[in-house]
Amino acid sequence: GDSVTQMEGPVTLSEEAFLTINCTYTATGYPSLFWYVQYPGEGLQLLLKATKADDKGSNKGFEATYRKETTSFHLEKGSVQVSDSAVYFCALRTSYDKVIFGPGTSLSVIP
Amino acid sequence: SQTIHQWPATLVQPVGSPLSLECTVEGTSNPNLYWYRQAAGRGLQLLFYSIGIDQISSEVPQNLSASRPQDRQFILSSKKLLLSDSGFYLCAWSVPSTGTNEKLFFGSGTQLSVL
Repeated sequence: GDSVTQMEGPVTLSEEAFLTINCTYTATGYPSLFWYVQYPGEGLQLLLKATKADDKGSNKGFEATYRKETTSFHLEKGSVQVSDSAVYFCALRTSYDKVIFGPGTSLSVIP
Repeated sequence: SQTIHQWPATLVQPVGSPLSLECTVEGTSNPNLYWYRQAAGRGLQLLFYSIGIDQISSEVPQNLSASRPQDRQFILSSKKLLLSDSGFYLCAWSVPSTGTNEKLFFGSGTQLSVL
């Protein structure tokens, strides 16, 4: 069945470090891929998305590229800030509108 | 503009009691509707989703059920709650898949404690 797998962390980085959070998926057809973020005490919000193979989603310095050959959508940021501390969720949306999430990765950025 | 309402915000129920959580969306028509559960420290588990009235897909076989009595209303129910039903329940909606704007909009959630 459809599924999303991501590194669960927690991940702790120093400010200005490079961030990678791995995400792989299993789905039939051609799903859309998303990263959502949940800041402390807040609800989930969309961070970025990609709707087809080789698309790159980007927002707030974060990037992820839709890799169909490796069924991956890894999240990267070149220089993290303390304000990036949050839980990050990888998600996919199937062609029949089912939306499933990975387990989430907790990120803490320390000054 | 579109808004989503979910209530109650918190609920404490004894084991074996019934459950009814309600979610409504305003400002749009024929939305896709979703129920998720987020256990403490874990990700979002899809429970039910609906692409139209009388079109509800169940993802997790358990003692929960969902209904969509109106186009923009989605109800999560149980006849008899279990301890394991405790968690944070989120309702969400999206426009039907168009390839342009597919993100989910989330309600504020219901914290359910079954004692």
